[in-house]
Amino acid sequence: GENVEQHPSTLSVQEGDSAVIKCTYSDSASNYFPWYKQELGKRPQLIIDIRSNVGEKKDQRIAVTLNKTAKHFSLHITETQPEDSAVYFCAASDASGSARQLTFGSGTQLTVLP
Amino acid sequence: DAGITQSPRYKITETGRQVTLMCHQTWSHSYMFWYRQDLGHGLRLIYYSAAADITDKGEVPDGYVVSRSKTENFPLTLESATRSQTSVYFCASSESGGWRQPQHFGDGTRLSIL
Repeated sequence: GENVEQHPSTLSVQEGDSAVIKCTYSDSASNYFPWYKQELGKRPQLIIDIRSNVGEKKDQRIAVTLNKTAKHFSLHITETQPEDSAVYFCAASDASGSARQLTFGSGTQLTVLP
Repeated sequence: DAGITQSPRYKITETGRQVTLMCHQTWSHSYMFWYRQDLGHGLRLIYYSAAADITDKGEVPDGYVVSRSKTENFPLTLESATRSQTSVYFCASSESGGWRQPQHFGDGTRLSIL
């Protein structure tokens, strides 16, 4: 089955700096890669997702890049703000399969220092 | 995302007891999922369902039972609770069709087993 590794487990940045979270996956058949943000005590919420035939996707201050050959993808947050502080999860899925299961990374606790 | 609701939000029970966590969605999504969230492990899939009366095991199914007699409901039962099942449980749902599979999560159930 799929295995997703996520690094770092914790990340502290100064407000206004950029943050980068990296994930690797094992199953070359995976072709859908979402990122979820989870604030303390809240539900995970989708913030951005990408399909394997796209190398990069941006949405305002967040972007995701995908290197299918190396089987890794990254979340980039620019101009970080205190409200970006949360746990971020990457995930991978074989969208062509019928199961539609997501395999999640173990999460990154991002702290934006004022 | 009020379309998916979990109950109860908090539950304390004793080892050996049976407990059922409820999940209800109003979007008529085909797919529903149960995850458990433990520190250091991220979100791990317990069971999922592709449609009414169709369920399948995820990564950590032992000790859990699910059913799905109606599209909108997907209860999770711990038949004989153990302390290792103390966790936060999240239900999620997603639509069928297409490559994009955003999963919408409920608010979670925090379960403590004494």
